[in-house]
Amino acid sequence: DAMVIQNPRYQVTQFGKPVTLSCSQTLNHNVMYWYQQKSSQAPKLLFHYYDKDFNNEADTPDNFQSRRPNTSFCFLDIRSPGLGDTAMYLCATSRRTSGGASETQYFGPGTRLLVL
Amino acid sequence: AQTVTQSQPEMSVQEAETVTLSCTYDTSESDYYLFWYKQPPSRQMILVIRQEAYKQQNATENRFSVNFQKAAKSFSLKISDSQLGDAAMYFCAYQNNAGNMLTFGGGTRLMVKP
Repeated sequence: DAMVIQNPRYQVTQFGKPVTLSCSQTLNHNVMYWYQQKSSQAPKLLFHYYDKDFNNEADTPDNFQSRRPNTSFCFLDIRSPGLGDTAMYLCATSRRTSGGASETQYFGPGTRLLVL
Repeated sequence: AQTVTQSQPEMSVQEAETVTLSCTYDTSESDYYLFWYKQPPSRQMILVIRQEAYKQQNATENRFSVNFQKAAKSFSLKISDSQLGDAAMYFCAYQNNAGNMLTFGGGTRLMVKP
């Protein structure tokens, strides 16, 4: 089945120790997104890639970076995690049509990050 | 900027009964998409139902249906014959026709009583 996969599902890191979260997809979608979701809150978009074109949200901290080496994979790098970065990180994908509209977003299971 | 409001932080329903979750939104766009996503505890967010604003007919998916009132900017979700597996956080979300960004409401936690 086509799907969005995130690894690891759980990650514990120390304050200030860099961490990388992984997302892969078999849907062949051209757009990939990273969201941060804190406890009992709605997901908040950090950034997205349309093919190799990176789009950062204005309020995303510089501490958060992303890489998309190919269509299938996208990584979230947190350079110096703080305690406030403890959250669920969701990857999502969608297809953008030639007309520019993005279709439904499909989410991965998330990575639960705990910063100690 | 678009906003999405879910006025019910928590709802409960008896198994086999019907429940309606409310959602209102604010936009100046005429063409857009609306979604309901379900997120069970510690599990994946999945799409429940999608509505295109240009369609007057309300979307339905098995036991799930929406009441889309474009003029009132209202998009409620009705769950019929509620099941224990329907217990989850439900998010209403808006996406404009040209954008990539989903704007989420604050969520409604649905509890299903046996």
